Amino acid sequence: DAGVIQSPRHEVTEMGQEVTLRCKPISGHDYLFWYRQTMMRGLELLIYFNNNVPIDDSGMPEDRFSAKMPNASFSTLKIQPSEPRDSAVYFCASSDDRFSSGANVLTFGAGSRLTVL
Amino acid sequence: KQEVTQIPAALSVPEGENLVLNCSFTDSAIYNLQWFRQDPGKGLTSLLLIQSSQREQTSGRLNASLDKSSGRSTLYIAASQPGDSATYLCAVRLDSGYALNFGKGTSLLVTP
Repeated sequence: DAGVIQSPRHEVTEMGQEVTLRCKPISGHDYLFWYRQTMMRGLELLIYFNNNVPIDDSGMPEDRFSAKMPNASFSTLKIQPSEPRDSAVYFCASSDDRFSSGANVLTFGAGSRLTVL
Repeated sequence: KQEVTQIPAALSVPEGENLVLNCSFTDSAIYNLQWFRQDPGKGLTSLLLIQSSQREQTSGRLNASLDKSSGRSTLYIAASQPGDSATYLCAVRLDSGYALNFGKGTSLLVTP
């Protein structure tokens, strides 16, 4: 398996523009997580899905952020409008249903580094 | 909210040394604890997963211990190598949910 695939790897945009980050989880994985990493706050969970359904979005910072998972092999994280403080590395991670029993670990993608000017 | 702290923030050691990385957490009602490695510009790689009922886990030169009552975990790396240079992150999952609460990591440099 190619692992968790994220795109783009790097994105530079101007304040006010819409940003869409994409994630393809490992085939057969039921859980998908979006994390954000900054120097100040470290890694923070934004939202996670189980069987394509959003379960907990309490970490989404504000209404400018939205995430979707239209099918088991694709998820998007959208920021509209983007602001400089959104600059961070955004990670997608997935796991199979053993995650619910704590028996399996998350597999992370390589991340999307976002810079908002 | 679970607070996860890692000490030290950075560490530099000569090759061959044994070293210990520390992780502390404020809420002892944990489900499991995981140690990750992060290389620059890369994602996170899981190293060891310790369930709340376990005391330690070993993989090769790595050994992780867990003391729930004191809210601490340590990652022991034996005979360090330059290839071990990376950031090591500790993550705690609480009984109450699926989120991993991460520390900010220890940046390790092993010099030849």
